[in-house]
Amino acid sequence: QSALTQPASVSGSPGQSITISCTGTSSDVGGYNYVSWYQQHPGKAPKLMIYEVSNRPSGVSNRFSGSKSGNTASLTISGLQAEDEADYYCSSYTSSNTYVFGTGTKVTVL
Amino acid sequence: QLQLQESGPGLVKPSETLSLTCTVSGVSIISGNYFWGWVRQPPGKGLEWIGSIHYSGSTYYNPSLKSRVTISVDPAKNQFSLKLSSVTATDTAVYYCSRRGGTSIAAKDYWGQGTLVTVSS
Repeated sequence: QSALTQPASVSGSPGQSITISCTGTSSDVGGYNYVSWYQQHPGKAPKLMIYEVSNRPSGVSNRFSGSKSGNTASLTISGLQAEDEADYYCSSYTSSNTYVFGTGTKVTVL
Repeated sequence: QLQLQESGPGLVKPSETLSLTCTVSGVSIISGNYFWGWVRQPPGKGLEWIGSIHYSGSTYYNPSLKSRVTISVDPAKNQFSLKLSSVTATDTAVYYCSRRGGTSIAAKDYWGQGTLVTVSS
């Protein structure tokens, strides 16, 4: 299975909004509403930020939102803050009853 | 408070078998409809899903690793384990254990801190 495609890097100034894309196929992202997003700070374990395309776990800021159109899912961070600087990974369930991660996106707060 | 903790050798020789254990505290490994799994991350690279197991014994593996991977569960110790055979330098990575099925059937909501395993002679 091939990794989902994400941009290598995205940057924005404090207060701005940024969007990270996650492109797969009809066998993963496009076929199921089981896309998750994870935030990972250096040297730390990933943290669940969005599940089932657009749902936020308890405790995650409402500045994080998710959506999906066709084979592409997106994570939007609004009101960008310095603490949002991290790596972000999408993940999707697949038709093979497995899971696949995205290639990862480094978010830089300018 | 649910916690997961990986343990095992930090150095494995090429061609040998990598063995890691994840100890779960705060919830019974056989309660709920949880799936317990492993994810790895080579130094400076992205995340790779390895596989997962349900306490009933059902297992799910990454097709690219399936021939070398075994995940098992030990309810008596509230642990689950990973074995990866015939390792090479490309298996050097931080290995994370995680839980799926709490917040969502398809999302990993709890993670261990990760343990670095280096494959080298």
